[in-house]
Amino acid sequence: NAGVTQTPKFQVLKTGQSMTLQCAQDMNHEYMSWYRQDPGMGLRLIHYSVGAGITDQGEVPNGYNVSRSTTEDFPLRLLSAAPSQTSVYFCASSSRAQETQYFGPGTRLLVL
Amino acid sequence: GIQVEQSPPDLILQEGANSTLRCNFSDSVNNLQWFHQNPWGQLINLFYIPSGTKQNGRLSATTVATERYSLLYISSSQTTDSGVYFCAVEGGGSNYKLTFGKGTLLTVNP
Repeated sequence: NAGVTQTPKFQVLKTGQSMTLQCAQDMNHEYMSWYRQDPGMGLRLIHYSVGAGITDQGEVPNGYNVSRSTTEDFPLRLLSAAPSQTSVYFCASSSRAQETQYFGPGTRLLVL
Repeated sequence: GIQVEQSPPDLILQEGANSTLRCNFSDSVNNLQWFHQNPWGQLINLFYIPSGTKQNGRLSATTVATERYSLLYISSSQTTDSGVYFCAVEGGGSNYKLTFGKGTLLTVNP
C-alpha cells in the first residue's frame, strides 16, 4: 500500500512550457485534491474531484487543468507555465467514509 | 469563504517544554483537521476534530465549535516535533475541500 504518490519530485520549466504533474493513490479513495503551497500562504486548493469523471475548481484554479478518468489517478496540467506558478504542489486523497486527508510527498516546481 | 487564523506564527521551545497552538475560524465547520509538516515537507494528519477533545500520546486537541476555535497541545516537546503545524477547516460537510491557516512554525531546541 503506497498511499499517495506524486511524480516528479522536482521540475524546472521555462516560461510558456507545459507539463503534467502526476498523482496516484491506491486506497480506493473517492476524493482527490490538488493544493499549492507558497511561503507564508499555507496551502491553497487548486482543483478537486469527488469521483471518476467529476472535477471542480478550488480557490486558485487559473492556469491549471485536471481530469479524473480513473479512481486512482488525478493529474494536474500546467497549460503555459508562468513564474507565478513556482510553488510546491501537493496531491491529497480521502474517503467518504473516513475523516482524514492523506497527502503525497509533493512536487517542487520552479518556473524560470 | 471561511477564514482561518493561527497563532502564534512562530514558537521556539526547549526540549521538554509544553505548548499550546491556537486556530480561530470565522464560520461553523463540519471538518477540522490538524496537520504537521516536518522539515522534509511531508504533511501528516494529526487529528480530525470538528468538536470535542482527542488525545494521541503527547499530543491532544480540543475544538470548541460554538466559539469557533481549536487548540493543539504538545506536552514534553521533543526535537522531532519541530516543523509547521497547520489547522484546516471545511464548512460544507465534505472531507476533501479544506481551507488552511498559514501555520505555526515550531522549533524545539535540544
